[in-house]
Amino acid sequence: QSALTQPASVSGSPGQSITISCTGTSSDVGHYNLVSWYQQHPGKAPKLLIYEVTKRPSGVSNRFSGSKSGNTATLTISGLQAEDEGDYFCFSYITISTSWVFGGGTKLTVL
Amino acid sequence: EVQLVESGGGLLQPGGSLRLSCAASGFTFRTYWMQWVRQAPGKGLVWVSRINTDGTNTTYADSVKGRFTISRDNAKNTLYLQMSSLRAEDTAVYYCARDGGKGGLSYWGQGTLVTVSS
Repeated sequence: QSALTQPASVSGSPGQSITISCTGTSSDVGHYNLVSWYQQHPGKAPKLLIYEVTKRPSGVSNRFSGSKSGNTATLTISGLQAEDEGDYFCFSYITISTSWVFGGGTKLTVL
Repeated sequence: EVQLVESGGGLLQPGGSLRLSCAASGFTFRTYWMQWVRQAPGKGLVWVSRINTDGTNTTYADSVKGRFTISRDNAKNTLYLQMSSLRAEDTAVYYCARDGGKGGLSYWGQGTLVTVSS
């Protein structure tokens, strides 16, 4: 159950768009559409942003979107805002072990 | 309003045991899969365990398999994590989360801190 690979940090200016990648294998990210994304602010519980690769829960801004190509899932945040600053984690099902795994996390800085 | 409230964390010595609880309210608990996730201080999220609606199907991370047991009492709307043979590396905030069925963890508790230290 090795962690999925995410960039350690990304940054962008207000109004810009950024992407965060989440790379796994054909046994996890690439196998099913069971990838979700979470935002976490310091000292707070994580918040679900995207589930099943592209679906957005009610109440989550449409500035957040998800996609997948092969073994890599991507979270896109458009129209960056100061409150988007925080940590982002991807999460995927692992088919061969019927378990789950998080990515290592990405720290987003809004410049 | 959906609420998940963890309790049971604390300071204990290596080799010790502890049971965490997660009290659920605001939704039909018995119809949802549930998960435990932990986060060591300053580190990322780590998946711990998952349980199905009636408690008959459980899965664990390799790092806790054989030491931790997830269970639930649907009559009490409560999720549990029994932890034994605790190690320093188990030190973390432990979160319970409601699973939408396909891995989307839509609601989380506030977490409970477990510290394993001599």
